[in-house]
Amino acid sequence: EDQVTQSPEALRLQEGESSSLNCSYTVSGLRGLFWYRQDPGKGPEFLFTLYSAGEEKEKERLKATLTKKESFLHITAPKPEDSATYLCAVQVRTSGSRLTFGEGTQLTVNP
Amino acid sequence: GAVVSQHPSRVICKSGTSVKIECRSLDFQATTMFWYRQFPKQSLMLMATSNEGSKATYEQGVEKDKFLINHASLTLSTLTVTSAHPEDSSFYICSARDRVIETQYFGPGTRLLVL
Repeated sequence: EDQVTQSPEALRLQEGESSSLNCSYTVSGLRGLFWYRQDPGKGPEFLFTLYSAGEEKEKERLKATLTKKESFLHITAPKPEDSATYLCAVQVRTSGSRLTFGEGTQLTVNP
Repeated sequence: GAVVSQHPSRVICKSGTSVKIECRSLDFQATTMFWYRQFPKQSLMLMATSNEGSKATYEQGVEKDKFLINHASLTLSTLTVTSAHPEDSSFYICSARDRVIETQYFGPGTRLLVL
């Protein structure tokens, strides 16, 4: 069975304190790994797609990396507006275009 | 680009009535749309996958006669919650898959409260 596990469940950082969120996966043939950001009461906002081990994507203070077993979302010098829940999802070759989501990491950045 | 809208954003209805939620991809065509349900402090739970012009595929445990899905065009899918009950109260989110870049973009969600 395909599994996606995110850690930690919650993370509190001070503004400017860099850190990383983890998404480990066990799937039968990865087609793509997706990162989304979700603010309370809103739908997820697309951040990145990663397709193969070694791939990296960057956007402002965020950088996503991918290995054969996990993905990291690195946050450099975060700001309070980066506070949100970050969701990781995988698309598996045998499941068409369906996404399997992790439980998310709730990030709080204090000023 | 890649904007998905949902309407209404919030709805309150009486038990036993039906509620329709619309999901539109505004600037791209989506042959596939998805409907999710999200409970507080939890991740998204996929309810069904709808393909334009064909019947929706429901996830295990989701009643297809209760949650009617129609995907009539490449930009519009609707979810109708029939004979709603308080336990159907939840946050419903749709997504649309851009068939060119194969990425799912999500709508803002619909908060349903059944009294």
